[in-house]
Amino acid sequence: GEDVEQSLFLSVREGDSSVINCTYTDSSSTYLYWYKQEPGAGLQLLTYIFSNMDMKQDQRLTVLLNKKDKHLSLRIADTQTGDSAIYFCAEIESYNKLIFGAGTRLAVHP
Amino acid sequence: EAGVVQSPRYKIIEKKQPVAFWCNPISGHNTLYWYRQNLGQGPELLIRYENEEAVDDSQLPKDRFSAERLKGVDSTLKIQPAELGDSAVYLCASSLARGATGELFFGEGSRLTVL
Repeated sequence: GEDVEQSLFLSVREGDSSVINCTYTDSSSTYLYWYKQEPGAGLQLLTYIFSNMDMKQDQRLTVLLNKKDKHLSLRIADTQTGDSAIYFCAEIESYNKLIFGAGTRLAVHP
Repeated sequence: EAGVVQSPRYKIIEKKQPVAFWCNPISGHNTLYWYRQNLGQGPELLIRYENEEAVDDSQLPKDRFSAERLKGVDSTLKIQPAELGDSAVYLCASSLARGATGELFFGEGSRLTVL
């Protein structure tokens, strides 16, 4: 079945860039997503990219998609302490059915 | 506008006891989902409703789990009897029926601990 894999942990210094990586298996996914989960909260959609794009930029966020390698990344510029959270990569298996990775815990330190 | 509301936030029960979780989706959202999130894992879909109809329940362990969405709005997820392995966070989400952009709106979840 479909599978989404992510590294589990990333630690960065405040002000640096963070890059969170993800690999997925379903080449037919029309959209790929990044969700953010803060402690004790539900997931919140951060950004998404359509599969015919290779890059999407939204303020401090840059999403890169390499369809050939089935690789998705999320870059957060000027990372702040408020960015500390778990970031989930997800692919869409069928109509609104998302397959999530295990999540990457981002820790931002001064 | 109110988001997805779930209750209870926390529940501790002994194994073999029943438990129920309630979800009120965002007003106007026809699609409702129940996900289970085990510790250190991403959410996994249990069941998806389009209005009152369960259109995808392939991942719901039907021997002990049941769900309903009688009037196409609120939903209840029940586990009877609970087992130790059911300890997890149960997330409810909702989305608009039209389009398939994958934007799901999640509640804060109900954390279940089975002793």
